[in-house]
Amino acid sequence: EAGVTQSPTHLIKPRGQQATLRCSPISGHTSVYWYQQALGLGLQFLLWYDEGEERNRGNFPPRFSGRQFPNYSSELNVNALELEDSALYLCASRLGQGAAYEQYFGPGTRLTVT
Amino acid sequence: GQQVMQIPQYQHVQEGEDFTTYCNSSTTLSNIQWYKQRHGGHPVFLIQLVKSGEVKKQKRLTFQFGEAKKNSSLHITATQTTDVGTYFCAGIQGAQKLVFGQGTRLTINP
Repeated sequence: EAGVTQSPTHLIKPRGQQATLRCSPISGHTSVYWYQQALGLGLQFLLWYDEGEERNRGNFPPRFSGRQFPNYSSELNVNALELEDSALYLCASRLGQGAAYEQYFGPGTRLTVT
Repeated sequence: GQQVMQIPQYQHVQEGEDFTTYCNSSTTLSNIQWYKQRHGGHPVFLIQLVKSGEVKKQKRLTFQFGEAKKNSSLHITATQTTDVGTYFCAGIQGAQKLVFGQGTRLTINP
């Protein structure tokens, strides 16, 4: 069974531009979570999608947005990039809506804003 | 909002020594999960605790959930170099929200 996949692995963007990150969950998983992990820091919750809808978002500005497609894959968009957006962005999928299910993480996308 | 505090932030031990990381929540948790992230890798699920006072073991790892369901700990007995990494706790409040602690980075001197 394939795990969670993310693309691209690395992304370098100039300040002020937009970045698009993609995630494909494990087959059968309907929930997708996005986290930001800045260097040396913990995981900051960004967004949670389930069944195509945004269910919850963390304390991030509106320029962080995303969506979930009918096949449950997801996209994270970061507009008007700022230097402090440089981080590892992790996607995780989960089977079912209950948070008691474990989350399976993808390898992440390393975003560097120059 | 809900906060999950994890201490220590860093821990360096000699191989063979024990290691403990502690997790404390400002609110009662319905569940707590533990993850391990190797340097350059992604978090990997270790275990979930659900019941008040629950203790679970995985070989040299012992996980505890406090009686009040506000704290948890992970104890590693006789650390090995393969234990190196960052250990995160993640608390679940209610049914849906998972909040991660800041993690404890474990380094080991062989």
